[in-house]
Amino acid sequence: QVQLVESGGGVVQPGRSLRLSCAASGFTFSSYAMHWVRQAPGKGLEWVALIWYDGSNKYYGDSVKGRFTISRDNSRNTVFLEMNSLRAEDTALYYCARDQAPIVGALSYWGQGTLVTVSS
Amino acid sequence: EIVLTQSPGTVSLSPGERATLSCRASQSVSRDYVAWYQQKPGQAPRLLIYGASNRATDIPDRISGSGSATDFTLSINRLEPEDFAVYYCQQYGSSPRTFGQGTKVEIK
Repeated sequence: QVQLVESGGGVVQPGRSLRLSCAASGFTFSSYAMHWVRQAPGKGLEWVALIWYDGSNKYYGDSVKGRFTISRDNSRNTVFLEMNSLRAEDTALYYCARDQAPIVGALSYWGQGTLVTVSS
Repeated sequence: EIVLTQSPGTVSLSPGERATLSCRASQSVSRDYVAWYQQKPGQAPRLLIYGASNRATDIPDRISGSGSATDFTLSINRLEPEDFAVYYCQQYGSSPRTFGQGTKVEIK
């Protein structure tokens, strides 16, 4: 069965960096686009970033563009989110999600999330 | 960026009733690439509908999606106790792939 397990969350000071990882199993990882979606405490879902199946294209939400970088290692079945210049408003539960397709599709599987808290 | 506006924000219904949730886009969504997700407290979202009207795996047929271009609807017939949750629409026809703000379906 499809499993997505996020890790790397924690408490970090404003302006610092953090790297999230998402380990995938139960499917052919290199055949699907992958996403990060976040949810601030008590708030709705916010789409963060997308990387195509082969890593050739990446897209970002406006609030993280220029600060966050998504990447993947298909040999390790893992997708990453490098977060720089973190702000208090980046505090959220970060979900990793698998696309339905290599490039464009809905988010068919989700992990349980890893919590990032930006605070001094 | 396509902005999705969901209405109502909260709807109070009884089990057995029908829920009708709306999602309006600020511009036409390419190929009607709209998905609907259900989220219960403490859980990750679950995909219900993709491509505006296609049910995801294991989703019962009392849940349906419709619409095109800028206006989309999620309908849930004969509400069951497990249907009381928050529902989000998302467009994936263009990047950034935005979500609506959510509609909460609560027990009346």
